[in-house]
Amino acid sequence: NAGVTQTPKFQVLKTGQSMTLQCAQDMNHEYMSWYRQDPGMGLRLIHYSVGAGITDQGEVPNGYNVSRSTTEDFPLRLLSAAPSQTSVYFCASSRGVNEQFFGPGTRLTVL
Amino acid sequence: AQSVTQLDSQVPVFEEAPVELRCNYSSSVSVYLFWYVQYPNQGLQLLLKYLSGSTLVKGINGFEAEFNKSQTSFHLRKPSVHISDTAEYFCAVSDSNAGKSTFGDGTTLTVKP
Repeated sequence: NAGVTQTPKFQVLKTGQSMTLQCAQDMNHEYMSWYRQDPGMGLRLIHYSVGAGITDQGEVPNGYNVSRSTTEDFPLRLLSAAPSQTSVYFCASSRGVNEQFFGPGTRLTVL
Repeated sequence: AQSVTQLDSQVPVFEEAPVELRCNYSSSVSVYLFWYVQYPNQGLQLLLKYLSGSTLVKGINGFEAEFNKSQTSFHLRKPSVHISDTAEYFCAVSDSNAGKSTFGDGTTLTVKP
């Protein structure tokens, strides 16, 4: 099993550009989540999904969109990038109340 | 609403000394508690978890944690640390599914020779 994969590993954007961060898991987990990690602030939940076709907002959803058309994939879209979105983004998947499995992260810089 | 407070942002300790990383939580319902470790430039991986049952939980790499409901704490301990334990440690709480966890701000453990 590859676990949770994320692409790209690094990305530099200019203010106003849009892009999609990809996330996929091969463990047949129903729950998937996107977090951003900023220095000294831990991980903050952006959006999450409890199954294909079902998504909901987390703590910091503004400026991001998600969709979940399949169990395996959960892409995160930045609509119009801003410098405040410079961060490290982690995707995670889980089953029920059990622990989350994290991807390796995408380091995004917005100039 | 749930929240997590990690009481120490940085913990320096000498090799082979014991260590405790403190975590307090608040939640209005039943909780599920986790400790994760993050090595530099990597994702998070699970150290241990409390879902139910025994309040003393043992995890990987010799770590253990005790769930204390009355004090709403879930402190992480290791009797003797190694240089390789140097990392960032996160406490997390969930009241339903783990996919909607709330994380603490993290504790940087630095083990010195």
